Amino acid sequence: DAGVIQSPRHEVTEMGQEVTLRCKPISGHDYLFWYRQTMMRGLELLIYFNNNVPIDDSGMPEDRFSAKMPNASFSTLKIQPSEPRDSAVYFCASSSRGVNAGELFFGEGSRLTVL
Amino acid sequence: QKEVEQNSGPLSVPEGAIASLNCTYSDRVSQSFFWYRQYSGKSPELIMSIYSNGDKEDGRFTAQLNKASQYVSLLIRDSQPSDSATYLCAVDNNAGNMLTFGGGTRLMVKP
Repeated sequence: DAGVIQSPRHEVTEMGQEVTLRCKPISGHDYLFWYRQTMMRGLELLIYFNNNVPIDDSGMPEDRFSAKMPNASFSTLKIQPSEPRDSAVYFCASSSRGVNAGELFFGEGSRLTVL
Repeated sequence: QKEVEQNSGPLSVPEGAIASLNCTYSDRVSQSFFWYRQYSGKSPELIMSIYSNGDKEDGRFTAQLNKASQYVSLLIRDSQPSDSATYLCAVDNNAGNMLTFGGGTRLMVKP
């Protein structure tokens, strides 16, 4: 079975540009999570969805960040406009029945560099 | 104060020794606790979960939980160089549907 698929794997962009990160969760998983990882702040939860509905977006840093899940097999995280402090590895993860019942399966991550 | 605290390390142990990794958490109502391993440049992967006080063993790994002290640990017996990675402690929220991760402890096992 395919795992969580993220694209792009690497993105280098200039400050002010729009960035769109994409995620395909594992088929059948009803929870989807977006995390950001930096050396300074570690792994931070940005937002999570249950059955395509955003449940908690309190981790989204500011209005420049937005996330959507139009269907069970696709989610996007958009940053507009991007800033150098957004440079990080962004992970998408999926699970079934939430974290209490099982594990999070992480994608390989999208490494974003904003110049 | 961070909700989940870990010593960042690096923790260096010789091959064959026991590596002991520790984690404290602040939310008393947390019910589920996890250890993830993350190799450099890779994504985290689950290696242990624990839900009740005491020890849980899986091969060379033992997770220990003490809810009264809000303390979780991971012991790795017979450490191997392939165990060299960052180990992330994760704790659920009181609704049981999202994880908060600690900053991770980098473990180095020297041959």
